[in-house]
Amino acid sequence: AQKVTQAQTEISVVEKEDVTLDCVYETRDTTYYLFWYKQPPSGELVFLIRRNSFDEQNEISGRYSWNFQKSTSSFNFTITASQVVDSAVYFCALINTGGFKTIFGAGTRLFVKA
Amino acid sequence: DAGVIQSPRHEVTEMGQEVTLRCKPISGHNSLFWYRQTMMRGLELLIYFNNNVPIDDSGMPEDRFSAKMPNASFSTLKIQPSEPRDSAVYFCASSPTSLAGAYNEQFFGPGTRLTVL
Repeated sequence: AQKVTQAQTEISVVEKEDVTLDCVYETRDTTYYLFWYKQPPSGELVFLIRRNSFDEQNEISGRYSWNFQKSTSSFNFTITASQVVDSAVYFCALINTGGFKTIFGAGTRLFVKA
Repeated sequence: DAGVIQSPRHEVTEMGQEVTLRCKPISGHNSLFWYRQTMMRGLELLIYFNNNVPIDDSGMPEDRFSAKMPNASFSTLKIQPSEPRDSAVYFCASSPTSLAGAYNEQFFGPGTRLTVL
């Protein structure tokens, strides 16, 4: 069975703090893809990153970084020096190779206070 | 370039009425997805089209829901008759994906917020 767990329902931080959003996934397949999407208050989901199961290199994009660890089935997302504009719901998602159904986690709502 | 376009953005209707939601995917994308988002159930995939053909509609809640994609640039999701429990935000997403695998990211529209009274 495939499953994506985002245990943190809501996180509240003060601007400029670093914050890590956790994502734990379950799959029996050896080949799969993981994604993070952002849903700002406007409502539209925005793609942030895709990672395949064979690439465990961490990735950094500006203030965003992702830590993929197959050994713990985790794909965590860190925002460095958070800003108010980072306030949104963040979804982690999984697709198995050969499939098309994206399994989304429940999302983590991030509040960044000025 | 225009993103995924959905209309209407908001729809308020009364129980029993027919509701039609519309979607125009990004040009060149051959995969289209309809999702429903509620607080209770999160994001649920309703139906997936590839090259205008419905591939999987197992997520469609019941016979009251139907979806069509008559051409590569247009899709509809219809609810007839609508019920209060259908109230949700309905998203359309498209992806440059082949049938062999859906590994690319999806581009989401702004959603249609449906309220059934």
